[in-house]
Formats: sequence, structure tokens, C-alpha cells
Amino acid sequence: GNSVTQMEGPVTLSEEAFLTINCTYTATGYPSLFWYVQYPGEGLQLLLKATKADDKGSNKGFEATYRKETTSFHLEKGSVQVSDSAVYFCALGTNNDMRFGAGTRLTVKP
Amino acid sequence: GAVVSQHPSWVICKSGTSVKIECRSLDFQATTMFWYRQFPKQSLMLMATSNEGSKATYEQGVEKDKFLINHASLTLSTLTVTSAHPEDSSFYICSARATSGLGWAKNIQYFGAGTRLSVL
Repeated sequence: GNSVTQMEGPVTLSEEAFLTINCTYTATGYPSLFWYVQYPGEGLQLLLKATKADDKGSNKGFEATYRKETTSFHLEKGSVQVSDSAVYFCALGTNNDMRFGAGTRLTVKP
Repeated sequence: GAVVSQHPSWVICKSGTSVKIECRSLDFQATTMFWYRQFPKQSLMLMATSNEGSKATYEQGVEKDKFLINHASLTLSTLTVTSAHPEDSSFYICSARATSGLGWAKNIQYFGAGTRLSVL
């Protein structure tokens, strides 16, 4: 079945550091890939998405590229801010359902 | 963007009582809504898939008589936790998937802000 494996956290970085959160997936067919962000006490917000191979999703300085050859969708940001502290979920979506990774908690210190 | 409203955001109840959580899609129609449960510092666990006008599909291990789901319209799904007990305390999150849109657009789920349930 479809599944998502996400880099375990927690991740702690200093402000302006480079961020990478790894995500790999297993799927049949042609799923869409997503990154969601969850701030403390809130629901999930869609951060970015990619719908086919080689697509790059980007938003708020975050980027991720849909790599079919490596079945990956790693999240990157060149310079993190304190306000980026949250839990990040990689997800795989099909017409039937959505599968989430375990989540990676990011803490950015001033 | 698409907005999903979930109510209440926080509820405290006594053991043995029932609690209803509402999930509304505010600016789009959703034939399919999903209910998730999230334990502290863990990922989302899909409980059930709710389709408008039909019975919900529950994931393995989720008691359908305990967690009653009703999806009466294209904009509203409700989750009722019946005879709640302390072990039901958790963060419950709903999401909705739009009926319109082609291909990938149908795969996007929009999430409510979640409901924190505390059973005393």
C-alpha cells in the first residue's frame, strides 16, 4: 500500500540556518505529494504541493521537488526563522485517501 | 483559499457523556470528509472517511458505535463521541476534499483547526 517515511525529529536550528527535512514515499500509480505544517494547538495548513514528477512546490521560502527516480519529496528552506517553528508533515494523496508521515518537529532558536 | 471550520475548538466533558464535533466546508462543497485523531507529538491517524449521503467507512480498529459520523450535506459532517471516557481524550481533526476540480485538485485535503477533547 501507499506509505510515507519522514525524517525523525526533533530538529533544532539557529535562525538563518539551512533546513532539510527528508521524505520518501512508496506508492502505486501517480500520487500527489504535499507538505503540511501544524503550529501549536492548531490544525494542519497546506504548505506546498507537487502533482507530478519533477514538479517543484514552493511557498514562503520553502521548496520541495517531486523526484520519481528516488521516490522523494524533501523539504528545504535556505534561511529559517523563529516563526517557522512547527511540526511538518509530508503527505501522499490519491483519489482515495491521504497518507501522512510521522511528522518532524522543528524548533528555530534566535 | 478553501476554508474548513471545526467546532468546538476545545471541549471538556464528564465521563459517560456524548460530545458532538462539527466540521463545515465554508466556501466549497465536499462530498468526502475525513476524521483524524492525533495523540500528543504523533502524526494523524485516520479514523474514518465520511461520504455525503452514505455510511462512513471506518479504519480498522476504530469502533463505529463509539464514534458516530454523519455527513448529511455537502458542507457538514459531524463526529459524535458517545459515552466518552478519559482514554478518548485527544485532538480530533477533520478535513474536507472538494467535489470540483480535476485530477490533482481533488487530492488536496483542507483541514479544520482541530478539537481538543478532554474527558474527566
